Amino acid sequence: GAVVSQHPSWVICKSGTSVKIECRSLDFQATTMFWYRQFPKQSLMLMATSNEGSKATYEQGVEKDKFLINHASLTLSTLTVTSAHPEDSSFYICSPSAGGPYNEQFFGPGTRLTVL
Amino acid sequence: AQRVTQPEKLLSVFKGAPVELKCNYSYSGSPELFWYVQYSRQRLQLLLRHISRESIKGFTADLNKGETSFHLKKPFAQEEDSAMYYCALRRGDKIIFGKGTRLHILP
Repeated sequence: GAVVSQHPSWVICKSGTSVKIECRSLDFQATTMFWYRQFPKQSLMLMATSNEGSKATYEQGVEKDKFLINHASLTLSTLTVTSAHPEDSSFYICSPSAGGPYNEQFFGPGTRLTVL
Repeated sequence: AQRVTQPEKLLSVFKGAPVELKCNYSYSGSPELFWYVQYSRQRLQLLLRHISRESIKGFTADLNKGETSFHLKKPFAQEEDSAMYYCALRRGDKIIFGKGTRLHILP
């Protein structure tokens, strides 16, 4: 499978601060990037979809001004959680897709965010 | 609404016994369905997709349009099969996940 990395793998921050999470597709070009959130013992919930060079499309109920997504290149996307609060504590997972006939999505290892 | 339902949160099966993880879907049109697996402390990975009709790690899943089901099966469970299993469907360009079933293989 494809190699996808996320940085950092975990982060602890104070309430009110902003946190940036990077996602890199190391061996293929990700035309589309999906960002998911996974709360403890729950499933992955899609937050937003972004295509390289375009603005992200957010799922219903996800605040676009709180979760800023940048997909400026085919190998890098970032998710910035602005003014984080304890309820934002979660596991954030990126999922790049290279398109193509199977349009397979690959998954990053995730970033665990804890907001104090 | 297009969604997948996994009715079991937890399934415990003895080693060597058959496994069936249930998945039902709701989709207008021809669905594209997947099973993903997440082992402890590892990332999510694709187990199989219905269009390829392949068997991975002994698991198979058949799409039953009449019953709108895509159950995951394995004839003989192994201890290393213990993991979280997610049924998923493609909705447009997005993959939507079910809530998952934790499979626990008992020795």
